[in-house]
Amino acid sequence: DTEVTQTPKHLVMGMTNKKSLKCEQHMGHRAMYWYKQKAKKPPELMFVYSYEKLSINESVPSRFSPECPNSSLLNLHLHALQPEDSALYLCASSPAWSRGDGYTFGSGTRLTVV
Amino acid sequence: LAKTTQPISMDSYEGQEVNITCSHNNIATNDYITWYQQFPSQGPRFIIQGYKTKVTNEVASLFIPADRKSSTLSLPRVSLSDTAVYYCLVGNTGKLIFGQGTTLQVKP
Repeated sequence: DTEVTQTPKHLVMGMTNKKSLKCEQHMGHRAMYWYKQKAKKPPELMFVYSYEKLSINESVPSRFSPECPNSSLLNLHLHALQPEDSALYLCASSPAWSRGDGYTFGSGTRLTVV
Repeated sequence: LAKTTQPISMDSYEGQEVNITCSHNNIATNDYITWYQQFPSQGPRFIIQGYKTKVTNEVASLFIPADRKSSTLSLPRVSLSDTAVYYCLVGNTGKLIFGQGTTLQVKP
């Protein structure tokens, strides 16, 4: 299995809702990432997990809460989002030793906050 | 992290060779140069990585001069399906920071 699977593919949520994005990989990668991408902009790094521990939080607002239950799963819990949080949320994984190569990205979750 | 500069957009025709140059003047000694490709509504896909001189794989070539302050991604004989955004990244860890990228439009 050489894929990163993200669910759901599309999500519409209200500003008072709580929802979760899920990401799964079975490549044995020990680093996992969340990126946010707005239309016609490059992906922006949000969080990095290394060996199931949060190693980087790029000053992301607390309404985004990541979780890594095990080495294959990565979640992003969403609460009280704003319309400007609407974006494509990408999950990626890589070998822990990566120097920028070997990343595998999922196809993303298209999030709309209404 | 070294900052990169790429052309915002490029046009080409099917069958042509396309060269996309990336400038990274403050690259560090232990930094690698990596290129990713992204199609609309998909995640980026790894294309090629190099440290110095020339690297070639089944998809592209990467040319890096001796001073390593720039690099050129070469796509041989492009097709319509090569229309995408191409990102040049410089670093030595797994923390990928994307610059603005180059939007390549291949025309028939």
